[in-house]
Amino acid sequence: GQNIDQPTEMTATEGAIVQINCTYQTSGFNGLFWYQQHAGEAPTFLSYNVLDGLEEKGRFSSFLSRSKGYSYLLLKELQMKDSASYLCAVNRDDKIIFGKGTRLHILP
Amino acid sequence: SAVISQKPSRDICQRGTSLTIQCQVDSQVTMMFWYRQQPGQSLTLIATANQGSEATYESGFVIDKFPISRPNLTFSTLTVSNMSPEDSSIYLCSASTSGAIGIYNEQFFGPGTRLTVL
Repeated sequence: GQNIDQPTEMTATEGAIVQINCTYQTSGFNGLFWYQQHAGEAPTFLSYNVLDGLEEKGRFSSFLSRSKGYSYLLLKELQMKDSASYLCAVNRDDKIIFGKGTRLHILP
Repeated sequence: SAVISQKPSRDICQRGTSLTIQCQVDSQVTMMFWYRQQPGQSLTLIATANQGSEATYESGFVIDKFPISRPNLTFSTLTVSNMSPEDSSIYLCSASTSGAIGIYNEQFFGPGTRLTVL
C-alpha cells in the first residue's frame, strides 16, 4: 500500500512565499510529482523529482528527500491566480498515485 | 505534448444504467490511465489501460463494474456499469507519451467527465 500526506488547506498572502509539505510511504517509489488543479479543471503538471535535492522552475521549486520520504513545493511571489489545489503524487511502479491535495487560498 | 479529449463532458444518468466514456489522444501514447475524482477530493486511480491486453485494476475496482477498452495507441473507453448514486464523480483520462512515467515529465490529463447518477 501507500500513504501520502499533505495539509488539507493553507492560506497565504499575495506576494509572499508558501511551502507545501508532503510525506509519503510507498513501495516501488520512482519519483514524486506536484500538480496544480484549479476548481473544475484537470490537473496540470508542475514538477517531477527523481533525485534528492531542489529543482527550481520560475516561481515554483520542488524538493525531494528519498531517505526521509519527504517533499515540498515552494511558491514564491504569490499571485491571486495561484489559488488552487496542489496535489502531491508518487510514481509507484509507473503509476501515479495522488495524495488528497492541499487547497491554497491567497489573500490580497 | 499531447492533447486529450473526453466524451461526454458531463452526463446525468439513472440508477442501474451504464455509461461509456471515451478518451481520445491526439498522438500515440504508451500508457493510459483512468482516474476518479469525487467532489472536493483528490484523484483515485481506477486502472491502467494496456493496449492489446486486459486493463490492470487497482484495489477496490473490478472489471465487471468498470470495463475498459484500449483498441489502439490513441483511444480508450471506460464504462461505468450498473450505476448507483455513489458513482457520481468526475472521471479523468490520463496518458503518458513516454515508455515509463515521468522520464520525460510527460503525463497529461483530459478535462474530465462529470457524472451524476440519480
